[in-house]
Amino acid sequence: DQQVKQNSPSLSVQEGRISILNCDYTNSMFDYFLWYKKYPAEGPTFLISISSIKDKNEDGRFTVFLNKSAKHLSLHIVPSQPGDSAVYFCAANDQGAQKLVFGQGTRLTINP
Amino acid sequence: NAGVTQTPKFQVLKTGQSMTLQCAQDMNHEYMSWYRQDPGMGLRLIHYSVGAGITDQGEVPNGYNVSRSTTEDFPLRLLSAAPSQTSVYFCASSYPIGQAMKQFFGPGTRLTVL
Repeated sequence: DQQVKQNSPSLSVQEGRISILNCDYTNSMFDYFLWYKKYPAEGPTFLISISSIKDKNEDGRFTVFLNKSAKHLSLHIVPSQPGDSAVYFCAANDQGAQKLVFGQGTRLTINP
Repeated sequence: NAGVTQTPKFQVLKTGQSMTLQCAQDMNHEYMSWYRQDPGMGLRLIHYSVGAGITDQGEVPNGYNVSRSTTEDFPLRLLSAAPSQTSVYFCASSYPIGQAMKQFFGPGTRLTVL
């Protein structure tokens, strides 16, 4: 039972346009949501997070939106740049269980 | 400040062999964890530790052992390697749980079991 799902394995976006990556979850007890970015042959790096008590968090070109009623969050990247090409993982913090639960990842490709 | 380091970077084992994947961090983080990454499966938690002397199982613990004798080190032991354990393994550490677990990951170990 996948508690965090990223249903799009890949996404291709033109440079300068908006990239929207989606994530769905099933556990209403998750209290924080995070996005990680991963380049090939490297470990994931933290990108942005949002508390379950908020619906939006912004950091430069990156904005995360949380819709608790739909159990859905999304990451917006505007404008998209070639260096944004990577695999993006959505993760949810299960504080009671003291662990992060990750989605399957979405490979984002930014085309010049 | 080296962050999270993992050794080796690559390893090939034969079925039934044992080995230890090393992980160390120099950020004085209490929380450390091991994940495996497989195509289409994302990152799956193997074992984790909330402090020296304390470990617990994650989502896929079978075939792996861990120990945490110091804050800095969190080795992962494969007891008897199987082809199903072919994967990329990541170690991570993070601030105390209350800080939303912004985990810092090592560069990974790519393991192939023949």
